[in-house]
Amino acid sequence: EPEVTQTPSHQVTQMGQEVILRCVPISNHLYFYWYRQILGQKVEFLVSFYNNEISEKSEIFDDQFSVERPDGSNFTLKIRSTKLEDSAMYFCASTGGETGELFFGEGSRLTVL
Amino acid sequence: AQKITQTQPGMFVQEKEAVTLDCTYDTSDQSYGLFWYKQPSSGEMIFLIYQGSYDEQNATEGRYSLNFQKARKSANLVISASQLGDSAMYFCAMRPYFTGTASKLTFGTGTRLQVTL
Repeated sequence: EPEVTQTPSHQVTQMGQEVILRCVPISNHLYFYWYRQILGQKVEFLVSFYNNEISEKSEIFDDQFSVERPDGSNFTLKIRSTKLEDSAMYFCASTGGETGELFFGEGSRLTVL
Repeated sequence: AQKITQTQPGMFVQEKEAVTLDCTYDTSDQSYGLFWYKQPSSGEMIFLIYQGSYDEQNATEGRYSLNFQKARKSANLVISASQLGDSAMYFCAMRPYFTGTASKLTFGTGTRLQVTL
């Protein structure tokens, strides 16, 4: 069964360092998302992406964040200069159309020291 | 804007019993989908069940059913015959349809379900 895959599963970084989280969405999907979940808290929307551009972004998604679809398969989230409060689980998701569920990857846990 | 409210931070249920997890929503969208996801302690998000706003019948998927009351804006999840493996965090979520963009899924705060012997 097709699935969304994310790498790395866990990354530890120093404050101020750049981090890139990678996602391979399901191959025929057209809509892509990043969410984050601080430990034990709500799942928060970061950004959605369609037709090679950002559709919507939340107030969390400030200038330190960027997304890219560099080729036909990968979808990346970059954090330029990490802060302690960026420590969270980051989920990538994709879906095939304007209706239906989002399919989530298993998440990338980011720990900023 | 959409808002999802889950008023039960934690619930306990005995094995083999049924349990209802509450979810209410608020939206001005005419077309939307309602979803439930399960998050076990391992952290992944597992899709459980979906209800479209124009579906007249309540959705069912195995032991899961969605009690959809559109006038009350509620979409409660019913789990029948609870199993120990059902212990997890459960999130209610909604997504507007036909916006022409990658419409986002908005989550509630979740309900932690603990199934006991």
